Amino acid sequence: AQTVTQSQPEMSVQEAETVTLSCTYDTSESNYYLFWYKQPPSRQMILVIRQEAYKQQNATENRFSVNFQKAAKSFSLKISDSQLGDTAMYFCAFKPTILNNAGNMLTFGGGTRLMVKP
Amino acid sequence: DAGITQSPRHKVTETGTPVTLRCHQTENHRYMYWYRQDPGHGLRLIHYSYGVKDTDKGEVSDGYSVSRSKTEDFLLTLESATSSQTSVYFCAISGRAATDTQYFGPGTRLTVL
Repeated sequence: AQTVTQSQPEMSVQEAETVTLSCTYDTSESNYYLFWYKQPPSRQMILVIRQEAYKQQNATENRFSVNFQKAAKSFSLKISDSQLGDTAMYFCAFKPTILNNAGNMLTFGGGTRLMVKP
Repeated sequence: DAGITQSPRHKVTETGTPVTLRCHQTENHRYMYWYRQDPGHGLRLIHYSYGVKDTDKGEVSDGYSVSRSKTEDFLLTLESATSSQTSVYFCAISGRAATDTQYFGPGTRLTVL
């Protein structure tokens, strides 16, 4: 079984600054995917970025980038030039590559609440 | 946005009453999931479906049952609601490929008094 841990329940950052959210995971799988989802006050779950474990290059999506350290089982999210609209809960999630009856079942961390201050 | 709807969006009910939540998709995706979201726990899988009439239990399945009679609909039933089932419930869908992303519905807030 996989576990995902987010050790920062809450964080805050000033608008236009950079913030990093931490995530660690535990698995015996060698191939898997990692995700960051954003949940704004609207409650909608929005995929921010994903990383394939077999790729050494860190994924980037506009102002969002990850620092993936496979040996350390660490997957942090960096948000650059923070905007007020980035205020949200952020969830780290894990999915093994092997497709079985569970399909693409995700295992989530407990979340980090990010507040961007003007 | 993926075509996923959930109904109702909000519900307040009393302990001991049955409750059914509906998830409807227009994407013809094979896999469907029900999660619950609670503070500090993120989202936890209740049940999932890998095809019509094919379902299985997730991490927190006690007190819940599901049914899928059509590709597009996945129902979650609380046979006798308890206060511990007060939560936000999310439906999600994904395709059959391991590379497919999981997309979420808008959620249902359920309060059991």
